[in-house]
Amino acid sequence: AQKITQTQPGMFVQEKEAVTLDCTYDTSDQSYGLFWYKQPSSGEMIFLIYQGSYDEQNATEGRYSLNFQKARKSANLVISASQLGDSAMYFCAMREDSGGYQKVTFGTGTKLQVIP
Amino acid sequence: DVKVTQSSRYLVKRTGEKVFLECVQDMDHENMFWYRQDPGLGLRLIYFSYDVKMKEKGDIPEGYSVSREKKERFSLILESASTNQTSMYLCASSFFGRGRDLGYTFGSGTRLTVV
Repeated sequence: AQKITQTQPGMFVQEKEAVTLDCTYDTSDQSYGLFWYKQPSSGEMIFLIYQGSYDEQNATEGRYSLNFQKARKSANLVISASQLGDSAMYFCAMREDSGGYQKVTFGTGTKLQVIP
Repeated sequence: DVKVTQSSRYLVKRTGEKVFLECVQDMDHENMFWYRQDPGLGLRLIYFSYDVKMKEKGDIPEGYSVSREKKERFSLILESASTNQTSMYLCASSFFGRGRDLGYTFGSGTRLTVV
């Protein structure tokens, strides 16, 4: 089974509108962390936001927020007031804390295109 | 500014060549990782290391090996390059611990083409 599932290969959003990128995850660990990264066409991976499994509040970082629904195992990224510079690939990722190693598993990504 | 530096942005190699991809970080991170990125497949973990001279296989280690002789340097080795290893290779590093600081810092990637 996939550990991280991103079901939207591509999405369009109008500039200044909000957009939600979906992510579901699968783990039996009680302690884990969820990340979102942005990858513009230049190729670098940019850390956006982090949510710990024990965090009670949804994480927010500027225009980014993470809608964390633990029971549903979902960690959707919400981008408010989209800008043209938000056009990029977005990857959801999970770090599981058991087993002594801290590797991170990534989803297949969602390509977001912001339309003027 | 903290950095993960990959030695080459683009590489073209011939089938059967031994290929070295180098990664250096200046953040004193314990953990280092090599991923490959292919369209529609996301990032897949090849190898990782949590200490000097230590290495662990990731999800797709076949055809690759790694070396970590110093804490700051993690090398990926393609023993005999094949065309199916044409890909974008990303190096990343992180602290050992918990929390948001454990987000990876990535290098800018090496796009390898094997012909």
